[in-house]
Amino acid sequence: EPEVTQTPSHQVTQMGQEVILRCVPISNHLYFYWYRQILGQKVEFLVSFYNNEISEKSEIFDDQFSVERPDGSNFTLKIRSTKLEDSAMYFCARDFRPGQGTGEQYFGPGTRLTVT
Amino acid sequence: GDSVTQMEGPVTLSEEAFLTINCTYTATGYPSLFWYVQYPGEGLQLLLKATKADDKGSNKGFEATYRKETTSFHLEKGSVQVSDSAVYFCALSGGGADGLTFGKGTHLIIQP
Repeated sequence: EPEVTQTPSHQVTQMGQEVILRCVPISNHLYFYWYRQILGQKVEFLVSFYNNEISEKSEIFDDQFSVERPDGSNFTLKIRSTKLEDSAMYFCARDFRPGQGTGEQYFGPGTRLTVT
Repeated sequence: GDSVTQMEGPVTLSEEAFLTINCTYTATGYPSLFWYVQYPGEGLQLLLKATKADDKGSNKGFEATYRKETTSFHLEKGSVQVSDSAVYFCALSGGGADGLTFGKGTHLIIQP
């Protein structure tokens, strides 16, 4: 089964600007996740999204972040007012099974966000 | 909370050497355990998994056994190749909507 796709592959933005990162998963999957990886560091969980609602979120996922699935297909991560420390790779992931959360996740190629 | 600890890298080996990358975890309940690999400039790929105690995950010559008594999931390969050079992440999940908890990653360098 194909993995998720993400757009754009690279986004450059100025501090304080809003960015929207997009993930296009297979439509019949229910569990989706966002992670980030600051350069050279470990991958960190941000948020999980089940049946079109936020299910779990980490301490990193504060008020400047939001997720939605506006049209039932694209799954977006919005950062309202970017900071320099938001520069990272952002990965979208889906669960292996369409209707279950097995813990086995498949990742998209990532979006590299650079905040200047 | 849950956590994963991996051996620090980089780990440098010669081709055909035996590989072990240590991974231990702390978690409530009975998590599933995973190894992910990240090749240079690429995203994360699932390498192998184990969902319960004593399960052995294997793929591409790599193996790891879920050891509940030692809370470990060490990655092994009998004979590494240059193409195995990558960053390896150990991870766990409680399933459902739980996000994966990753270790810091181990950078593996295989020299010809």
